[in-house]
Amino acid sequence: NAGVTQTPKFRVLKTGQSMTLLCAQDMNHEYMYWYRQDPGMGLRLIHYSVGEGTTAKGEVPDGYNVSRLKKQNFLLGLESAAPSQTSVYFCASSYGPAEAFFGQGTRLTVV
Amino acid sequence: DQQVKQNSPSLSVQEGRISILNCDYTNSMFDYFLWYKKYPAEGPTFLISISSIKDKNEDGRFTVFLNKSAKHLSLHIVPSQPGDSAVYFCAASDYSYSGYALNFGKGTSLLVTP
Repeated sequence: NAGVTQTPKFRVLKTGQSMTLLCAQDMNHEYMYWYRQDPGMGLRLIHYSVGEGTTAKGEVPDGYNVSRLKKQNFLLGLESAAPSQTSVYFCASSYGPAEAFFGQGTRLTVV
Repeated sequence: DQQVKQNSPSLSVQEGRISILNCDYTNSMFDYFLWYKKYPAEGPTFLISISSIKDKNEDGRFTVFLNKSAKHLSLHIVPSQPGDSAVYFCAASDYSYSGYALNFGKGTSLLVTP
């Protein structure tokens, strides 16, 4: 049982490039989330989904888009990367009012 | 505006002693509280949780206390072990806030020394 898997683990982008981070969960969870963690900031919610085909904005959504075409996958897109998007990105899933399970993270550097 | 606050960035405790990590929150709508543990280069892992209808939950060496009137919760680790050295995040959720998404504090780095 893999839990929550994030791809890729590391990535370096040039300013203006685009990329997609993939999150896959095998626990049949309805809820999925994307967070970013910056030094001294804790984890902040970017976007979330309460079920297949739904997405909504979180606390820091600017510069990101998401899609949830399949229940098990939640994609995070950066259309035009900026240095301010250098961060560690975590995907998580949950069935609802309980603990969320996190992936191992994606370390993204934008130069 | 930070709704979950961990005011101690770091804590150092001797092995075998009690570790107490504190957390305050401002949103009275939060109804579920959790503690996560995080090692470097790994994702957060769930440690223990408590519902707003309880004031204490215990799991082995870990106990979480909730004081709703003070909007305060704490995590007690007894006895502390070197393997407990990690960053601990307090988190809270409320369905009206982003579908059970967790609202995190900034974390407290715990160091347990032999």
